[in-house]
Amino acid sequence: EVHLVESGGGLVQPGGSLRLSCAASEFTFSRYWMHWVRQAPGKGLEWVANIKEDGRDKYYVDSVKGRFTISRDNAKNSLYLQMDSLRAEDTAAYYCATAPWENYRYTIGYWGQGTLVTVSS
Amino acid sequence: QSVLTQPPSVSAAPGQKVTISCSGTSSNIGYNSVSWYQQLPRTAPKLLIYDNSKRPSGIPDRFSGSKSGTSATLGITGLQTGDEAVYYCGTWHSGLNTVIFGGGTNLTVL
Repeated sequence: EVHLVESGGGLVQPGGSLRLSCAASEFTFSRYWMHWVRQAPGKGLEWVANIKEDGRDKYYVDSVKGRFTISRDNAKNSLYLQMDSLRAEDTAAYYCATAPWENYRYTIGYWGQGTLVTVSS
Repeated sequence: QSVLTQPPSVSAAPGQKVTISCSGTSSNIGYNSVSWYQQLPRTAPKLLIYDNSKRPSGIPDRFSGSKSGTSATLGITGLQTGDEAVYYCGTWHSGLNTVIFGGGTNLTVL
């Protein structure tokens, strides 16, 4: 069973930074596209970014371009999201997620339990 | 406002059938496959349907998906109270180069 565990969430002031991590296990991490998806309290899902198996291709939603950076370390089976210049509207639960099978770029097969990021002064 | 349009809510009685629509454009649903996700209260989403109509292992055949042109539909038969959840459609937007989700449909089993 695929296992994804996020960490690094917390309370941060507007303009601050935070780095989320996701530890992956029970699947061949290096062969799967990975995603970050967020959900503001009481709201729907918003995809944030994804990254190709080898880390060379990355895509972002417009609202985080230039502020967030997705990366991965295949040797450590880990996914990261560096979040800079945080805004109140970035407040959300952030889910680490993976494709269901190899070569699936945008279908999300498995989700972590999420880590909460609160941006507030 | 989501790029993919879903009804905010649907309801039906136990044992009945319900359908949830997802409307997009030629740049997203019209060109790419659609997935459906179920989010039970206070849990992470779960993949229900992928590639428009395929079910992952473990998903009962009460759940079905279809796509026609720029719209997709999720069908659920034999409704159970445990099906009460928010359902999201999702796909790739070729123009924006992003994954997009619908706004979600809250299913109530009366």
